[in-house]
Amino acid sequence: EAGVAQSPRYKIIEKRQSVAFWCNPISGHATLYWYQQILGQGPKLLIQFQNNGVVDDSQLPKDRFSAERLKGVDSTLKIQPAKLEDSAVYLCASSQINWGLAGGSHYEQYFGPGTRLTVT
Amino acid sequence: RKEVEQDPGPFNVPEGATVAFNCTYSNSASQSFFWYRQDCRKEPKLLMSVYSSGNEDGRFTAQLNRASQYISLLIRDSKLSDSATYLCVVNLGGYNKLIFGAGTRLAVHP
Repeated sequence: EAGVAQSPRYKIIEKRQSVAFWCNPISGHATLYWYQQILGQGPKLLIQFQNNGVVDDSQLPKDRFSAERLKGVDSTLKIQPAKLEDSAVYLCASSQINWGLAGGSHYEQYFGPGTRLTVT
Repeated sequence: RKEVEQDPGPFNVPEGATVAFNCTYSNSASQSFFWYRQDCRKEPKLLMSVYSSGNEDGRFTAQLNRASQYISLLIRDSKLSDSATYLCVVNLGGYNKLIFGAGTRLAVHP
């Protein structure tokens, strides 16, 4: 079974430039997540989609970050304009759908290899 | 206060040693708990879930204490291949939102 695909794997840009990352989740996984992992820290959730709808974007810096998942499959994450502190690995993950029922239930999140962004 | 706190390490241990990692979480409404493993410059991967009754998977034992909001991971008979960062992870429930600790780095040497 193919895993989560991400591209590009590496990107170097100057501050104030824009950049976009692409993610293709595991086939059949309706839930897609974008995380930011700064060196020395754990991944931090930026945005979560269920099919093509957003269920959590509370930690997405909306003045510069945007994400979309138009057809409920692939997703793109964009940063415009980039700042030095955006240097990080951007991880995409996917899982089976979770209906958000009381008590919740966990479906394993499968991560892609990430995109390592350096802003100079 | 961080939502999930871990000792960053590094823990440097010889092969065959037993090593234990601890983690505390702040949200008492947390639903489920996990340990993920992250190799250098790689993505995180689920190592094991953590249950109140304690659970074991080969050389790995995980334990949860809900009253103390404390999670542990014990690795017995350490192998060189165990060298990695171990992330303590809490699921807040709802839409499967995971909160990751910063990780504890383990280095196993010959």
